[in-house]
Formats: sequence, C-alpha cells, structure tokens
Amino acid sequence: GAVVSQHPSWVICKSGTSVKIECRSLDFQATTMFWYRQFPKQSLMLMATSNEGSKATYEQGVEKDKFLINHASLTLSTLTVTSAHPEDSSFYICSASDAGRGENSNQPQHFGDGTRLSIL
Amino acid sequence: GEDVEQSLFLSVREGDSSVINCTYTDSSSTYLYWYKQEPGAGLQLLTYIFSNMDMKQDQRLTVLLNKKDKHLSLRIADTQTGDSAIYFCAETSDTGRRALTFGSGTRLQVQP
Repeated sequence: GAVVSQHPSWVICKSGTSVKIECRSLDFQATTMFWYRQFPKQSLMLMATSNEGSKATYEQGVEKDKFLINHASLTLSTLTVTSAHPEDSSFYICSASDAGRGENSNQPQHFGDGTRLSIL
Repeated sequence: GEDVEQSLFLSVREGDSSVINCTYTDSSSTYLYWYKQEPGAGLQLLTYIFSNMDMKQDQRLTVLLNKKDKHLSLRIADTQTGDSAIYFCAETSDTGRRALTFGSGTRLQVQP
C-alpha cells in the first residue's frame, strides 16, 4: 500500500535554528501534500497545503515566512521552520494521497510518522 | 466551516466491544476516516467509508454511517489492551486535493 515517509522523527535544537522536515511519498506520486501540527493532547490542525510546482496555500494564522514549504517534485515536500523558538515546539505530520490525479480518486490519505520538534 | 465532534474518552474491559462515535456537519463530506494514534506515534489509517455506503466491516472493525444524521461510528469487537490509543474521526470532500478535518480524538482505555 501507499507509504509516506517523514524525516527526521525527532529534532532537538537551540532557539534561532532553522529546521527542515521532509515528507516523501515512497510508492506513488502526490501533486498535493498536507502539513499538520499537533499540540499535546490535541487534534491535528492543518497548517498548509503543499502543491507541486506552485506556491503552498497556508491556513489563516499560519505565518508563511516562518513555515516555508517547498514541493519541488511529485514525491517530496519539505517544511522548514525558520528561526525556531520554543513556541514552535510541536508534533508536525504530513499526509498525501495517491488520488491527486483523479485516476485513483478513492485512495485515502496516508500519514507520515510525524516529527517531534523541541526547541530549547 | 466544517466541524467534526467526538467524545473525549471511552473505557472498556478487555474482550468487550468498543463503540466510538463521531458527528460531522459538512454535507459534502464524501470520505470519512478512522485513524489510530498511539503515544508519540503518527497516525495509522484503520478504515474508511464512502458517503454512499452504510456499513463497512474489516475483521474486528465495523464502521456504520448514518448520512441523514451525519453520524459515524467505529465498533471494535473483542477489544484488546493493544487497542488502547486515541482514535480520530476525519472527513474530506476530496481525498486527493483537500485536507482532512479531524475530530478532537477519543481516548480508548482498555482495562484488563
């Protein structure tokens, strides 16, 4: 079945550091990928929609200059948390579906294993 | 906007059946999902159902959909301690192009 791989799984770094998180679709092409954020004991909140070859669409309240998204190929989207601060500490999860091109319109979305980001 | 609601907590004894309920508001919801999340882990897709279906069964899991009432349920038969986790209900109108809207998650606690 479809697999989404996310790296790294856990990052601990100092305040002010920029952190890049990768999301890869391993056995399918994804024109659209999604980035979510999850705070402890809470649900997933959509941050942005990553579109291959074009600009990402950000949800209201999400700073596009803080969370840079690049979707340069049909199998890779990256999220860069720029100049991270302790309030950016969270669990970041990406998802993708093999349904983007309409040929497999019933395929569900699969999630990466998430990246736990801890900013000291 | 879309809204998905779940009860926050459910406790059952090992061997009993668990039923987790979910309600949604978006009438254009076409795909409805159940995901499982264990502590510190990502989301595992358990099962999903299309809006033109009433029921779907997959081994110990049974999903029931009442489209009129916008109510979705997940039944886990013969619940085991390994089923203890958070279960998220989610929906979307386009599985490829639109993000999922998640419920708050139901924490299932299975007591031996």
